[in-house]
Amino acid sequence: EDKVVQSPLSLVVHEGDTVTLNCSYEVTNFRSLLWYKQEKKAPTFLFMLTSSGIEKKSGRLSSILDKKELSSILNITATQTGDSAIYLCAVVWYGNKLVFGAGTILRVKS
Amino acid sequence: DGGITQSPKYLFRKEGQNVTLSCEQNLNHDAMYWYRQDPGQGLRLIYYSQIVNDFQKGDIAEGYSVSREKKESFPLTVTSAQKNPTAFYLCASSIESGVGNTEAFFGQGTRLTVV
Repeated sequence: EDKVVQSPLSLVVHEGDTVTLNCSYEVTNFRSLLWYKQEKKAPTFLFMLTSSGIEKKSGRLSSILDKKELSSILNITATQTGDSAIYLCAVVWYGNKLVFGAGTILRVKS
Repeated sequence: DGGITQSPKYLFRKEGQNVTLSCEQNLNHDAMYWYRQDPGQGLRLIYYSQIVNDFQKGDIAEGYSVSREKKESFPLTVTSAQKNPTAFYLCASSIESGVGNTEAFFGQGTRLTVV
């Protein structure tokens, strides 16, 4: 059965801390892995990863895919209260089936 | 402006009623998806459609039905068979780029409550 597992399920940190969120998958016909941030309603796109070992970076956020380990990490450095959100990982299968993990709830305390 | 429109934003359903959630996109995307989200949780796939007149069940399709008669539209019906329909419903669409990469775009969601 194809599945996407995120860890931890929830995390509380203080402003300025660095966090690492994990996403692992068991799929056939993997195409790409996506990270989203969800604050209130619609998730907003962060990264798309298709190639192993190539880091994608946007400000304080970065992500990398490891196809050998079937996993990805999302790093957030110097966290701010505005980073508090649910972080969702999704994997695209061949045929455009897009399946999400359960998400990691991040709370950044000031 | 291109995007995905879900309606209504809020919907109240009585026990035993069927209700239909609308999802329309003008992005010319082939693939469309419906997800359900319960409080504090991630997204669970209900149904998805890769092309017009074709759709597949996701992980939690029981009690739901869909149609895809037009490329732009992918309505979701929550039937009376769905025993716990109160949730936040998100519709998404995606397109493949030339190298087979896919990014999904989301509507703003419909919050369904059973009264």
